[in-house]
Amino acid sequence: KNEVEQSPQNLTAQEGEFITINCSYSVGISALHWLQQHPGGGIVSLFMLSSGKKKHGRLIATINIQEKHSSLHITASHPRDSAVYICAAQLLIKAAGNKLTFGGGTRVLVKP
Amino acid sequence: NAGVMQNPRHLVRRRGQEARLRCSPMKGHSHVYWYRQLPEEGLKFMVYLQKENIIDESGMPKERFSAEFPKEGPSILRIQQVVRGDSAAYFCASSKTSGTIGLVGYTGELFFGEGSRLTVL
Repeated sequence: KNEVEQSPQNLTAQEGEFITINCSYSVGISALHWLQQHPGGGIVSLFMLSSGKKKHGRLIATINIQEKHSSLHITASHPRDSAVYICAAQLLIKAAGNKLTFGGGTRVLVKP
Repeated sequence: NAGVMQNPRHLVRRRGQEARLRCSPMKGHSHVYWYRQLPEEGLKFMVYLQKENIIDESGMPKERFSAEFPKEGPSILRIQQVVRGDSAAYFCASSKTSGTIGLVGYTGELFFGEGSRLTVL
């Protein structure tokens, strides 16, 4: 079992719809990152959070430390939001050191 | 303020050749991470470096792969005697802060480069 799991693997939405991507992890973490990877492959860091909620434009990220769960929400989705969204956790185990453990990614397609 | 710069963006090598991938972190960042993304797979950590030091290379294959981050100049990921299985996208990320709290490591906000795509023929 992967230490960081994402769901769904694939998601198709109509423009304007509200999108939620989930990330769960099996051990404690010090921080969780949400990343966006566009076709063509570049990666952009969207959020880094260790508690609560962060908002940037139409993107909202939440994290529940007790439940070991984080969500990324996209409000009023747009075709330009089509990308792979990846969660990555800084695991609180000594062996993890400073490296991130990545979820498998969620491929989002927003249709006009 | 330029972002993380990686070059080359695309590199083609024949089996047995060497590949050198370069990463210049953001200005003021002294922590560099290399990640590999194999075709149709997720990102995997390879190595974490600070200036002139390898901090964690637990994700890097023991043979043929090496990394450095000299006092001056970019970080370099070097792959000797490449094989087809090395074909992947290699991403570099940098952060301003990183370190340990007690025995636990933490990573500051990461900024990624565009990646270098290595194709081994």
